[in-house]
Amino acid sequence: GENVEQHPSTLSVQEGDSAVIKCTYSDSASNYFPWYKQELGKRPQLIIDIRSNVGEKKDQRIAVTLNKTAKHFSLHITETQPEDSAVYFCAAVVSGGSNYKLTFGKGTLLTVNP
Amino acid sequence: DAGVTQSPTHLIKTRGQQVTLRCSPKSGHDTVSWYQQALGQGPQFIFQYYEEEERQRGNFPDRFSGHQFPNYSSELNVNALLLGDSALYLCASSFSGDRAFGQGTRLTVV
Repeated sequence: GENVEQHPSTLSVQEGDSAVIKCTYSDSASNYFPWYKQELGKRPQLIIDIRSNVGEKKDQRIAVTLNKTAKHFSLHITETQPEDSAVYFCAAVVSGGSNYKLTFGKGTLLTVNP
Repeated sequence: DAGVTQSPTHLIKTRGQQVTLRCSPKSGHDTVSWYQQALGQGPQFIFQYYEEEERQRGNFPDRFSGHQFPNYSSELNVNALLLGDSALYLCASSFSGDRAFGQGTRLTVV
């Protein structure tokens, strides 16, 4: 089955700096890659996603890149703010029909220091 | 739209007991998946229900079972609870690529 590796497990940055989180996946059939933000005690919230037919996607301060050949994808957060502090999870999906199984990475605890 | 709702929010059970967790999907969603999130870990897929049938299953023992009702709501049942079953249990509903998570049920087994 699919396996998703995520690095780093913790990341501390100064407010205004950029943060980058990287993930690799094993199943070449995976074609949808969402990123979730989870604050303490809260549900995972989708922040951005990318499909395998796209190499990069941007939404304001957040961007995701995908390298299908290398089977890795990354989350980039620019101009970080204290409210960006949370655990971030990458995930991979083989999307099709009723298959909506998400395989998650182990998460990255991002701390943005004021 | 209330989104995905789960009940209860917190639960404490004793080893060996059985527990039932409930999930109401987001309006318009017909597929429900359950995930177990241990402390400090990513969510792990338990199983998925669609048209009242289990369609996929993750690497979880038969002590974990579920059900989906005609109104698309779902239950997760865990028998013979172990200390290691302590976790946040997340329900996610979906339809045609749109997916949403519930707030989870925090299960503590003592």
